[in-house]
Amino acid sequence: EVQLVESGGGLVKPGGSLRLSCAASGFTFSAYPMNWVRQSPERGLEWVSSISSSSFYIYYADSVQGRFTISRDNTKNSLYLQMSSLRADDTAVYYCARDQDTNNWPPVFDSWGQGTLVTVSS
Amino acid sequence: QSVLTQPPSVSEALRQRVTISCSGSSSNIGNNAVNWYQQLPGKAPKLLIYYDDLLPSGVSDRFSGSKSGTSASLAISGLQSEDEADYYCSAWDDSLNAVVFGGGTKLTVL
Repeated sequence: EVQLVESGGGLVKPGGSLRLSCAASGFTFSAYPMNWVRQSPERGLEWVSSISSSSFYIYYADSVQGRFTISRDNTKNSLYLQMSSLRADDTAVYYCARDQDTNNWPPVFDSWGQGTLVTVSS
Repeated sequence: QSVLTQPPSVSEALRQRVTISCSGSSSNIGNNAVNWYQQLPGKAPKLLIYYDDLLPSGVSDRFSGSKSGTSASLAISGLQSEDEADYYCSAWDDSLNAVVFGGGTKLTVL
């Protein structure tokens, strides 16, 4: 069974930084592209970033480009999102999501974690 | 304001059929596949339909998807109480270079 478990969320001040992690199990992590998707009442569901299986291809939404960095460690079956220069409108539940196919673009999110809440507030 | 437009809510009676619409443009739905996600209360989204009309393994065949031009639809037949959820359409947008979502449709089963 595919399992994705996010961690690292919390309360951070505007301008601050936070690193999210996603621990994957139940599938060959190194074979699948991975993604971050966030959800807030104000902005709804919003794709944040994607990374290919080998980390060769990386994509970001314009809203986070230059502030967020996606990465992965295939030896640890883990996905990361380093967030910096955080703003109030980054407040959201952040989901880690697996791509449906090992060689697929654009992504189809076939498995999701339970999410981790990031709150940006002074 | 979401790039893809969905009705905020729909309702239909138990065991009936309902459709949820998703309207976009030539840069997204008109040129790319549509995916649908179901989000039960308090849960993460779940892939329901992909590539316009394909069902992932394990998804009931009461769910179906279709697309015509720059619009897509999700149909749910034989409505059950457990179908009460938020439903989101999604597609790649060639102009924005991003995955875009609809604002979501809350389904109430009467």
